[in-house]
Amino acid sequence: DAKTTQPNSMESNEEEPVHLPCNHSTISGTDYIHWYRQLPSQGPEYVIHGLTSNVNNRMASLAIAEDRKSSTLILHRATLRDAAVYYCIGDSSYKLIFGSGTRLLVRP
Amino acid sequence: DTAVSQTPKYLVTQMGNDKSIKCEQNLGHDTMYWYKQDSKKFLKIMFSYNNKELIINETVPNRFSPKSPDKAHLNLHINSLELGDSAVYFCASSQGYSGTGSSPLHFGNGTRLTVT
Repeated sequence: DAKTTQPNSMESNEEEPVHLPCNHSTISGTDYIHWYRQLPSQGPEYVIHGLTSNVNNRMASLAIAEDRKSSTLILHRATLRDAAVYYCIGDSSYKLIFGSGTRLLVRP
Repeated sequence: DTAVSQTPKYLVTQMGNDKSIKCEQNLGHDTMYWYKQDSKKFLKIMFSYNNKELIINETVPNRFSPKSPDKAHLNLHINSLELGDSAVYFCASSQGYSGTGSSPLHFGNGTRLTVT
């Protein structure tokens, strides 16, 4: 299993970019990196995933280090609605194992 | 349109009772899951079904029995409920296996189970 390490919490100001780091030094060459987030009282929501190249979608960008031992989820302009717990997950054959995640607080 | 729906949203029951949680997805996915989120907010996978076949069973007590009548439904039946079963249970679905990197999970909004 690709174990991941994330800070417990981070804070950001509204409308500023947010960089959420994740370490996954034990990741294997074929494990994807997934990011999900969980808003209060809701189920987790898919954000983005990637293997080696940086990825962009309408929600966020994912920057993966060249050695693949770390990655960064980038929210380009944080809004109050982005306040959530963000999970970085290294996939492991047929299942995603969630860690404790990073709680993002967004200040107005 | 709700993609993954669970019922009930809240379930309060006494120890020793038997209860069921239902899950339905209208996304046409072939794989469904049950996750448990405890009071410390850790999300743990319990079961996974692909095309109605059990593919993951994560050392969950035998009191928990998933049933998949068809690809769109995965229900969870719990016998002899215990205090430690209190948690939020999430159903999810994906097209193909979530671990392949190609298929995101879609989660329901959870069922909060309280055992008294």
